[in-house]
Amino acid sequence: QKEVEQDPGPLSVPEGAIVSLNCTYSNSAFQYFMWYRQYSRKGPELLMYTYSSGNKEDGRFTAQVDKSSKYISLFIRDSQPSDSATYLCAMSGGGNNRLAFGKGNQVVVIP
Amino acid sequence: SAVISQKPSRDICQRGTSLTIQCQVDSQVTMMFWYRQQPGQSLTLIATANQGSEATYESGFVIDKFPISRPNLTFSTLTVSNMSPEDSSIYLCSVEDPGSSSYNEQFFGPGTRLTVL
Repeated sequence: QKEVEQDPGPLSVPEGAIVSLNCTYSNSAFQYFMWYRQYSRKGPELLMYTYSSGNKEDGRFTAQVDKSSKYISLFIRDSQPSDSATYLCAMSGGGNNRLAFGKGNQVVVIP
Repeated sequence: SAVISQKPSRDICQRGTSLTIQCQVDSQVTMMFWYRQQPGQSLTLIATANQGSEATYESGFVIDKFPISRPNLTFSTLTVSNMSPEDSSIYLCSVEDPGSSSYNEQFFGPGTRLTVL
């Protein structure tokens, strides 16, 4: 079983729709959960950062962490064509000095 | 935040040759990281480079294949040695957020797209 599982998609949605992305993981030591956004031919940029379980909201973006289910989600409300990118989940914890990434989920928002 | 540049942005190389990738940061950082991003695969950490010490390599990556230099707090290089087509990938450097005590908040460079023929 891979440490972090993320369905690579791609996912196409019409403009204005809600985008729902998720990752599952196997390492119960993970405590820090992140979502990165990567535009084509660019490096990933940190989008959301959450510690432990719970929700975090930032504008149109909401990150959820359910540690009991080892499941994290990212929701994008009122999606825009500029949200078209690959979204990677990442996580860390347990004293291990590294981030474990999912494969990334390509999202296309159609005008 | 940190602004990171990488050189070259892309290259096409012949089998058996080596390529050195440069990573420059606009502020001093303790830890720099080198990743590989292959099509359809997770972003994979190659090694962690601290200034003044040997790089720490992840399982499956060795210094002979991926030598790393870290001469100061704003610069690092990764060399891909004796390349084969399997080394074709995007190579990214990243740094910890200089304003954060957490290595989880990393800033990435734009990447170097390497094709080995």
